[in-house]
Amino acid sequence: QVQLVESGGGLVKPGGSLRLSCAASGFTFSDYYMSWIRQAPGKGLEWISYISSSGSTIYYADSVKGRFAFSRDNAKNSLYLQMNSLRAEDTAVYYCARSPGGYFQHWGQGTLVTVSS
Amino acid sequence: EIVMTQSPATLSVSPGERATLSCRASQSVSSNLAWYQQKPGQAPRLLIYGASTRATGIPARFSGSGSGTEFTLTISSLQSEDFAVYYCQQYNNWPPKYTFGQGTKLEIK
Repeated sequence: QVQLVESGGGLVKPGGSLRLSCAASGFTFSDYYMSWIRQAPGKGLEWISYISSSGSTIYYADSVKGRFAFSRDNAKNSLYLQMNSLRAEDTAVYYCARSPGGYFQHWGQGTLVTVSS
Repeated sequence: EIVMTQSPATLSVSPGERATLSCRASQSVSSNLAWYQQKPGQAPRLLIYGASTRATGIPARFSGSGSGTEFTLTISSLQSEDFAVYYCQQYNNWPPKYTFGQGTKLEIK
């Protein structure tokens, strides 16, 4: 069955960097667009980035553009989210999700990123 | 940015009764609308996409309707496991600027 497992979250100081990973299994990873969505504690959902199946096309929400970089390695069935210049408002649970048509069909369990001094 | 507004913020319904949740878009999103269910401590789960197509494994008591700017999620006979927070999401933009509603909490009356 489809499985997505995020890792790499943790506590980081404002202005710091962190790299999240998402390991995919149970489907042909290279066939699917993928996304990252985040959820601040006690808040709603925010889409932040979207990558094409080949990795050649990537889109970002304005809130993270220029600070975050989304990439994928189809040989390793993995996604990566490089997060730089982190701010307190980036504190959230980060989910990777399979995105076949703009909606989010399968989600990982999430990884918590806390930005605090 | 397309703003999605859900109502009500909280809905109290008794088990076995029908629940109707609403979602409004600030401009037309055609039928590019999805619904998700989220329980405490869990990731969201896709219920409906294309405004009315149930995702794989979703019970028939969940149904979606609407197009353009007005959408509805109906749960025909509430089960105990249905009490959760529900989000709508539009995916009509290209390039993508996908947005979610703020959520409706469905609680036991």
